Amino acid sequence: DIVVTQSPDSLAVSLGERATINCKSSQPVLYGSTNKYYLGWFQQKPGQPPKRLIYWASTRESGVPDRFSGSGSGTDFTLTISNVQAEDVAVYFCQQYRGTLYTFGQGTRLEIK
Amino acid sequence: QLQMQESGPGLVKASETLSLTCTVAGGSINSIRYFWGWIRQSPGKGLEWIGTVLYTGVTYYNPSLRSRVTLSVDTSKNRFSLTLNSVTAADTAVYFCAREVDDVAWGRQGTFDVWGRGTMVTVSS
Repeated sequence: DIVVTQSPDSLAVSLGERATINCKSSQPVLYGSTNKYYLGWFQQKPGQPPKRLIYWASTRESGVPDRFSGSGSGTDFTLTISNVQAEDVAVYFCQQYRGTLYTFGQGTRLEIK
Repeated sequence: QLQMQESGPGLVKASETLSLTCTVAGGSINSIRYFWGWIRQSPGKGLEWIGTVLYTGVTYYNPSLRSRVTLSVDTSKNRFSLTLNSVTAADTAVYFCAREVDDVAWGRQGTFDVWGRGTMVTVSS
């Protein structure tokens, strides 16, 4: 089974600071014929469905502020939120696709210090 | 803009069958470019992919649920459905339907871009 582990489980940052969330897959994340990784990042606020922020590991969803960025390759990926704002308080998930299976990380809770 | 809406009973008795439907509005389900999925979220297990169905009826299931899950699609009503048999308390969760896109230029995205709001299903003993 593929296991996707996020770190940390929670973090608190000051407004305007940077938040970094890591996502590690137990197997290399698949990429397609165009060399794009099947790895996405989601933001979830209470009572709402997950909202996709990033796909193909680093492609920002339309309308998502550019303070959100994704990077990584192979088994290790990162979501960086620069200049954290109050509205960024949420739980963040990574999700990968491989071998017809979709697997989510356990989530990282972002709070404001 | 595409919208997805889950519907079905909020309470199911243990050992019985859970049935949910996802109705798609603002776009057609009838495209080879879309994969229609079900995901659930419970406090104990986080987000768990259940399965995916194409408009052709081709299905993909999470191996951990395969023996109990059936997905189907009704293109005439622009909706797809989930059936989960022999439910237990462990199946209590918020169930989401969602879409994955196979981009014309760049291929599959491998992640879900549009989600329904989710529906809470509780399994009672």
